[in-house]
Amino acid sequence: EAGVAQSPRYKIIEKRQSVAFWCNPISGHATLYWYQQILGQGPKLLIQFQNNGVVDDSQLPKDRFSAERLKGVDSTLKIQPAKLEDSAVYLCASSLAPSGGGGGYTFGSGTRLTVV
Amino acid sequence: RKEVEQDPGPFNVPEGATVAFNCTYSNSASQSFFWYRQDCRKEPKLLMSVYSSGNEDGRFTAQLNRASQYISLLIRDSKLSDSATYLCVVNPPNTGNQFYFGTGTSLTVIP
Repeated sequence: EAGVAQSPRYKIIEKRQSVAFWCNPISGHATLYWYQQILGQGPKLLIQFQNNGVVDDSQLPKDRFSAERLKGVDSTLKIQPAKLEDSAVYLCASSLAPSGGGGGYTFGSGTRLTVV
Repeated sequence: RKEVEQDPGPFNVPEGATVAFNCTYSNSASQSFFWYRQDCRKEPKLLMSVYSSGNEDGRFTAQLNRASQYISLLIRDSKLSDSATYLCVVNPPNTGNQFYFGTGTSLTVIP
């Protein structure tokens, strides 16, 4: 089974620039998540999609972050404009089930963003 | 109060040692608990789920204490390859399948 695909692996941008990340979940996984992991911290949920609908975006800084999953498969996360504190690894994850615990998530390898 | 709290460590133990990590959670109604492992500069990967009755997978044992609202992970006979960060994960009720991650506990197994 192919895993969660993310690109790019690394990105360095200047503050106030824009950046976009892409994620393709495991085939058949209806639920997709974007997490932000700052160095030394655990991942923090930014947004959760169920198919092409948003389930939870309460922790997404909507003044600068946006995300979409138009066809219910792959997703993009955008930051515009970036700030220094956005430097982090952006992890995409997917799961079969939209609710309850069970089998956990499968994460992609992440995009490491450095804002200078 | 944070949903999940962990001692960040670091824990430095010799090969063959037994080491235990604890993690506390704030929502007493939480039902799903996991331990994830994260290697340096890699993504988190599911290590094991934590069941109410406790569960074991080889050298790894996970326990849940609902009364005190903590979960634990015990690693016996530590191997060099166990060196990683161990993340405690809780799925509180009414959050869909949203996971709350602890900050992680760093383990280094020394030869």
